[in-house]
Amino acid sequence: EAGVAQSPRYKIIEKRQSVAFWCNPISGHATLYWYQQILGQGPKLLIQFQNNGVVDDSQLPKDRFSAERLKGVDSTLKIQPAKLEDSAVYLCASSPLGTKADTQYFGPGTRLTVL
Amino acid sequence: GDSVTQMEGPVTLSEEAFLTINCTYTATGYPSLFWYVQYPGEGLQLLLKATKADDKGSNKGFEATYRKETTSFHLEKGSVQVSDSAVYFCALTGGYGGATNKLIFGTGTLLAVQP
Repeated sequence: EAGVAQSPRYKIIEKRQSVAFWCNPISGHATLYWYQQILGQGPKLLIQFQNNGVVDDSQLPKDRFSAERLKGVDSTLKIQPAKLEDSAVYLCASSPLGTKADTQYFGPGTRLTVL
Repeated sequence: GDSVTQMEGPVTLSEEAFLTINCTYTATGYPSLFWYVQYPGEGLQLLLKATKADDKGSNKGFEATYRKETTSFHLEKGSVQVSDSAVYFCALTGGYGGATNKLIFGTGTLLAVQP
């Protein structure tokens, strides 16, 4: 079974530029999560989708971050404009519905450096 | 709000030593508890989980018991190997009874095992 795919793996941009990250979850997983992991900290949820609907985006900085999952499969997270403090690893995870819904499977992450 | 506190690292051990990484939590309701591991250059992987009080999760020689009376979920291994060197994250989900299954993570503990 293929895991969660993310691209790119690394990205370096200057502040005020825009950037987009892509995630393809495990086939059949209805729920998709984006987490931000700042160096030395645990991951923090940015947004959770179930199919193509948003379940939780309470910690998403909506003035600069946006995310979509239009067809209920893959997802894109965008930052525009980027700030220095956005430097982090952006993790995508997915989980099925039902009895195993509490187990999330993580992708390798995208490491963003904002200069 | 819900939170996870885990012991700060780094933890440095010799091969075959006994490992304990402490984790305590604060949550409303009845959370599920997890240990995730992040090996160098890799994504987060689920190590073990427990979904109710007194449950013991185990995997790859690691164990943790869900202790509701002490709100703890300490990770243990009887004999560590160099290959266990990684960052270990304690996490919880579901304590607040909402629709979201977002994971709330501790800050991570770096384990370094020396030959």
